Amino acid sequence: RKEVEQDPGPFNVPEGATVAFNCTYSNSASQSFFWYRQDCRKEPKLLMSVYSSGNEDGRFTAQLNRASQYISLLIRDSKLSDSATYLCVVNEQPDYKLSFGAGTTVTVRA
Amino acid sequence: DAGVIQSPRHEVTEMGQEVTLRCKPISGHDYLFWYRQTMMRGLELLIYFNNNVPIDDSGMPEDRFSAKMPNASFSTLKIQPSEPRDSAVYFCASSLGGPGTDTQYFGPGTRLTVL
Repeated sequence: RKEVEQDPGPFNVPEGATVAFNCTYSNSASQSFFWYRQDCRKEPKLLMSVYSSGNEDGRFTAQLNRASQYISLLIRDSKLSDSATYLCVVNEQPDYKLSFGAGTTVTVRA
Repeated sequence: DAGVIQSPRHEVTEMGQEVTLRCKPISGHDYLFWYRQTMMRGLELLIYFNNNVPIDDSGMPEDRFSAKMPNASFSTLKIQPSEPRDSAVYFCASSLGGPGTDTQYFGPGTRLTVL
């Protein structure tokens, strides 16, 4: 079983729509959680960390559900520039390697 | 401020040849990571260094792969001999703190094609 699993999508949404997707992780002892964004043929970049209480950064909201072992990302008022692959990243313990999901592709259309 | 620098950006080589990928981390970052990304396997950590010392090389696929970090500003990933299945994008990343504690900044990647 993979450590981090994501729905690959693609999620095709119109501009202004809300899109949300989840990622599940296998290790209940995992400590830290992140969402990275990767544009086509570019490097991954940190979008946001995910905290236990949930957190927002502008139009982006991330939530963690430890009981069900998943994290979610919600994008409100989608922009064309939000089109990308979103990578779910989990760290099992400090100074242990990060585990990356395969990514969820979002395409926002005009 | 310069980010992580990788060279070459593209490499095309023939099976059996030696390939050397280079990385310059962000100045002051103590951690350096080498990743490989393919469509089939996604992003995989190959090896990471802390203060130039290899900490976890469990992701290095086999003896054909080796990585060095002779100083704080330079690292290499070498494949010898290369095989077609090594074709992938190889990313170098660096961070101030260890995995999970600080943001990892990725370089632009080296797109390797082995014919």
